[in-house]
Amino acid sequence: DSGVTQTPKHLITATGQRVTLRCSPRSGDLSVYWYQQSLDQGLQFLIQYYNGEERAKGNILERFSAQQFPDLHSELNLSSLELGDSALYFCASSVMPSSNEQFFGPGTRLTVL
Amino acid sequence: EDQVTQSPEALRLQEGESSSLNCSYTVSGLRGLFWYRQDPGKGPEFLFTLYSAGEEKEKERLKATLTKKESFLHITAPKPEDSATYLCAVQDAGGGADGLTFGKGTHLIIQP
Repeated sequence: DSGVTQTPKHLITATGQRVTLRCSPRSGDLSVYWYQQSLDQGLQFLIQYYNGEERAKGNILERFSAQQFPDLHSELNLSSLELGDSALYFCASSVMPSSNEQFFGPGTRLTVL
Repeated sequence: EDQVTQSPEALRLQEGESSSLNCSYTVSGLRGLFWYRQDPGKGPEFLFTLYSAGEEKEKERLKATLTKKESFLHITAPKPEDSATYLCAVQDAGGGADGLTFGKGTHLIIQP
């Protein structure tokens, strides 16, 4: 158990809908990362937050957004969902932005029908 | 653009049969190279961080090594419980982003 929690574990929705994924980092970790894992693309970095502020963007679509709250939990919002958005979404956390060890949560499996 | 290529894509070994997994990388400046283990439907589990060429780290039956172009994960006398997908990732020293660039992994099966 990494100490990172994610809810829900599974999410099934329809095309065009909007969903919110939630992540709580390890106790004491200030930086949160979101990754998407699909069969064809592998694990891809989406976005990073540090202490409530956006720090870096990766391959995140404009339909996706995220935020980190004062209690350091983070939410990833996915809108106008398409079939291709079906994937595992992972949250990871680290103590500081430059910390080399990122610890991953169990993931949320999103299925778009 | 950072790139990570892992080989082989899949590897099937007998219990006790040692082998190595390869990770080739291209990065403008390496801050760190990471190995993770991932079981089906689970999140990646951190194994090692390597920072500079020549560095080695060990944990139980696993040893990771690093050169300027690639890293190897050596598995000695593996057991069935070592079956998993092993992921390699790099973190670029430049650009201000701390996100990891992952390879597609090596799916390892250890048969009893």
